[in-house]
Amino acid sequence: GQSLEQPSEVTAVEGAIVQINCTYQTSGFYGLSWYQQHDGGAPTFLSYNALDGLEETGRFSSFLSRSDSYGYLLLQELQMKDSASYFCAVISSWGKLQFGAGTQVVVTP
Amino acid sequence: SAVISQKPSRDICQRGTSLTIQCQVDSQVTMMFWYRQQPGQSLTLIATANQGSEATYESGFVIDKFPISRPNLTFSTLTVSNMSPEDSSIYLCSVEGRRDRDYGYTFGSGTRLTVV
Repeated sequence: GQSLEQPSEVTAVEGAIVQINCTYQTSGFYGLSWYQQHDGGAPTFLSYNALDGLEETGRFSSFLSRSDSYGYLLLQELQMKDSASYFCAVISSWGKLQFGAGTQVVVTP
Repeated sequence: SAVISQKPSRDICQRGTSLTIQCQVDSQVTMMFWYRQQPGQSLTLIATANQGSEATYESGFVIDKFPISRPNLTFSTLTVSNMSPEDSSIYLCSVEGRRDRDYGYTFGSGTRLTVV
């Protein structure tokens, strides 16, 4: 089977840094992705890791450790518009994208 | 990245009826995916649709309930058949990203279905 675990909710103030952890169990692992979804919207792609290490894209960074089946998304300099759901998702070798349960990030003034 | 046009954006349907959701992609893609997102939940993969072959369904989803068509490399439909209130969800299509780039998948804007 396949499973991904991430925290259900994180609350932080504007300007803070938030880390969302994701652990996974899967067969045929190809890479780990992160998606953001605002209420009523479609998921939008944030970041992707196929190899161990850190990928940085502006205020967002993502990390992967394949040996630990673990990754995280780091949100820096939090803004109110970052309030959304964040999903880790495993890409399988045959191209399927399977999502974790999602983390609701609440940014407060 | 690809641009997907999905319709309808929302619908209210009577139980026992069927609804067909369409997704049009602005470029040719090998695989298209269909997801269901129940209220407050994550996205669950329903099936993978390849052109020229039958769709591959995930555990818990069957072709009789969710028939899929993939007549060409830019278009797919998902039908939700014999609907019940439990089928009230958002349905989304998606296309695979480019493995030689950032591998970001693109999603349609979703179809919000309410069954009454």
